[in-house]
Amino acid sequence: DAGITQSPRHKVTETGTPVTLRCHQTENHRYMYWYRQDPGHGLRLIHYSYGVKDTDKGEVSDGYSVSRSKTEDFLLTLESATSSQTSVYFCAISESLDTQYFGPGTRLTVL
Amino acid sequence: GQNIDQPTEMTATEGAIVQINCTYQTSGFNGLFWYQQHAGEAPTFLSYNVLDGLEEKGRFSSFLSRSKGYSYLLLKELQMKDSASYLCAVKEGGANNLFFGTGTRLTVIP
Repeated sequence: DAGITQSPRHKVTETGTPVTLRCHQTENHRYMYWYRQDPGHGLRLIHYSYGVKDTDKGEVSDGYSVSRSKTEDFLLTLESATSSQTSVYFCAISESLDTQYFGPGTRLTVL
Repeated sequence: GQNIDQPTEMTATEGAIVQINCTYQTSGFNGLFWYQQHAGEAPTFLSYNVLDGLEEKGRFSSFLSRSKGYSYLLLKELQMKDSASYLCAVKEGGANNLFFGTGTRLTVIP
């Protein structure tokens, strides 16, 4: 299994508060991704990174920002959490433009 | 845009064979992935097809027809542990963005 960890694994927060999720990899892979998974929607890409300080938007990026200051860490920030951002968030990594490997996920509840 | 369809649920018997279909409509097709996801866990990679034909890997095989926008995942000698969701995902263009279907939840019964 690829060395990917996510923290926290579970979080409950209130509407309007900032939240940061962390993805950490030990594989030295170039590409990192943040997805959310909701019933009836499947996995949807939020943001991705193709190198340190190089990021781009995905399909559902509104309300989210990311940062990648080191190869091994990719942070996802919800500046002001809303109930619609209640979801399971998965980080993924890949070395080349093919297979992506997923982290264990973070379950976020916004009350 | 992308339109990826797969059945919502399927049930099959232990020891049997099951085929999970995926159809897609997309521009700039550049590969199709299948992932397995057990409840409450991360998706795990099963297969990758970029050319037409059948790819076999143990009990699992995956088929692709690019002209028909169609793929299937074939699971043989089903085991109870194969009960999971199976996700079809399409890659477009030169980027590595994957577009996922909503998944097929397979239940294996004794």
